[in-house]
Amino acid sequence: AQSVTQLDSHVSVSEGTPVLLRCNYSSSYSPSLFWYVQHPNKGLQLLLKYTSAATLVKGINGFEAEFKKSETSFHLTKPSAHMSDAAEYFCVVSDPDSGYSTLTFGKGTMLLVSP
Amino acid sequence: DGGITQSPKYLFRKEGQNVTLSCEQNLNHDAMYWYRQDPGQGLRLIYYSQIVNDFQKGDIAEGYSVSREKKESFPLTVTSAQKNPTAFYLCASSMRQGGRWGTEAFFGQGTRLTVV
Repeated sequence: AQSVTQLDSHVSVSEGTPVLLRCNYSSSYSPSLFWYVQHPNKGLQLLLKYTSAATLVKGINGFEAEFKKSETSFHLTKPSAHMSDAAEYFCVVSDPDSGYSTLTFGKGTMLLVSP
Repeated sequence: DGGITQSPKYLFRKEGQNVTLSCEQNLNHDAMYWYRQDPGQGLRLIYYSQIVNDFQKGDIAEGYSVSREKKESFPLTVTSAQKNPTAFYLCASSMRQGGRWGTEAFFGQGTRLTVV
């Protein structure tokens, strides 16, 4: 079984300050982990993914995440927030060795960016 | 352009009616999924299909039905048995690489269903 916990439902930052969105996971296998972003009334766009290669993963728009197996965490960071980063972010886990293709989503973190 | 197309973007349904949401992909992906999104609840899996003519129930399948007659198409029917169908519905697809799943999913732009 797999699960994801996003530790904050809302995060507020000022433009130009760092962003940290926290994600813990549990998995019976060696997981694949993803962060997706969703703007209002839109589909989900992949920001970055971890699939058992480098533990520090760089994504689009300056985001990155670090896979920490000992802490079962996959936190998303960005050095400097931009107004366009305001959106909802989802942490997602899958088990590629399970034989099933399903993804498990966290409940999402809404990122608010103020000028 | 390759991608996933959902239609319609907005859909209104009267109580007691069945409605069908369309999802088509031209990515040649093996697996397709339907998710329901409600505020504060993330995405919940309704049904998924890893191969043509086969599909599996997800966490909240009651009141929904699907078919997978073609690799590129995975329509979702919201039946009158679904008690609270107003939600945002997202279709996705993913591929198998080297015999393993776990690659990222690609999403359509969603259909917002409202019961009136």
